[in-house]
Amino acid sequence: ETVLTQSPTTTAASPGEKVTITCRANSSVSYMHWYQQKSGASPKLWIYDTSKLASGVPNRFSGSGSGTSYSLIISSIESEDAATYYCQQKSSDPRTFGGGTKLELK
Amino acid sequence: EVKLQQSGDELVRPGASVRMSCKASGYTFTAYAIHWIKQSPGQGLKWIGTIVPLIDTTSYNQKFKGKATLTADKSSNTAYMELSSLTSEDSAVYYCARNWEYFDYWGQGIMVTVSS
Repeated sequence: ETVLTQSPTTTAASPGEKVTITCRANSSVSYMHWYQQKSGASPKLWIYDTSKLASGVPNRFSGSGSGTSYSLIISSIESEDAATYYCQQKSSDPRTFGGGTKLELK
Repeated sequence: EVKLQQSGDELVRPGASVRMSCKASGYTFTAYAIHWIKQSPGQGLKWIGTIVPLIDTTSYNQKFKGKATLTADKSSNTAYMELSSLTSEDSAVYYCARNWEYFDYWGQGIMVTVSS
């Protein structure tokens, strides 16, 4: 199975700061998808096909990467971005998720 | 509006089975796959398997074979998951989600608690 390792596990940032979340795979994947989950809520699709923003996602978010290394970048953090973010791959079954990155606001 | 409405939370005894549902609305049910995903308390997400309602085909994560059984009823636009021989390890929130490569719509989740 393709193991996805996210870093950092937890991070805190002040409003306006740039944040990068990394997802590394133990084998090459074609695309990476990202989800945002807030406490007590279902995950929401956030970025799909590596770099496409889901409907309603602010353009301060972006995604990039290829092969075994992918990133979710927030150019200027806002308070509403506090959440846990998960990466997910489908290149090989079973589909797998990263362990999550909890983003907190200072 | 696309919606996946899941059935209610469950409290079940160890060794029992539980069947949960996911009713789809706002789109053509047979045009998309339905996936089931497990989230254990304070843990991440694990893909259980998928069903393609159009052709009634299923695919399972090997880790959940024998534990989960996926079915779908095209007449009511509803997908089902049955979990058998429940243990405390099965206590979790279970989500259904739609689509193929990624999951664009999710149900609200069902909390399953296994306790005597």
